[in-house]
Amino acid sequence: EPEVTQTPSHQVTQMGQEVILRCVPISNHLYFYWYRQILGQKVEFLVSFYNNEISEKSEIFDDQFSVERPDGSNFTLKIRSTKLEDSAMYFCASSGSQRSTDTQYFGPGTRLTVL
Amino acid sequence: AQSVAQPEDQVNVAEGNPLTVKCTYSVSGNPYLFWYVQYPNRGLQFLLKYITGDNLVKGSYGFEAEFNKSQTSFHLKKPSALVSDSALYFCAVRDGYSGAGSYQLTFGKGTKLSVIP
Repeated sequence: EPEVTQTPSHQVTQMGQEVILRCVPISNHLYFYWYRQILGQKVEFLVSFYNNEISEKSEIFDDQFSVERPDGSNFTLKIRSTKLEDSAMYFCASSGSQRSTDTQYFGPGTRLTVL
Repeated sequence: AQSVAQPEDQVNVAEGNPLTVKCTYSVSGNPYLFWYVQYPNRGLQFLLKYITGDNLVKGSYGFEAEFNKSQTSFHLKKPSALVSDSALYFCAVRDGYSGAGSYQLTFGKGTKLSVIP
């Protein structure tokens, strides 16, 4: 069964450094998403991406964040200058079509620790 | 704005007994409702969804959920719990009337299910 994969599984970085989190969505999917979960809190939507542009973003997704689909398979989340409060589990997801009923399938997550 | 409430942080049930994990929601339009499960060191795995039609939805691993519009609830159920069902369960909602291409899911805080042998 096709799966969303994410690398690395755990990333440790110093405050102020840039990090790039990588995701490989399910191969025939068209919509891509990033969510995050701060320890002990809810899973929160960050951004959705379709046709090489952001289709929706939350208030969390400020100028420090960016997303890119650099090739036909990868989908990345970049945090330009990390803050302590960026420490969280980051989940990538993908869905197959633009039908609003479609299911989003999630990857295993990248745990980001900012020191 | 849409929201989800999972009133129980933890549910304990004996193996072989029926289980229920509760979820209530709030949306302005038609609710699209989802259940996901998270095992340790794994991602969120899709279990089932309600979009329209029959209020009782069947999903993976013998789970089912009942949509109740009047009570704005979407409780997850299983007739006979297994120890391997022990995990973190998340309810999520999307607003079917989000219009201009909003696909974001809003999640509850999760319920930890422990099935005791």
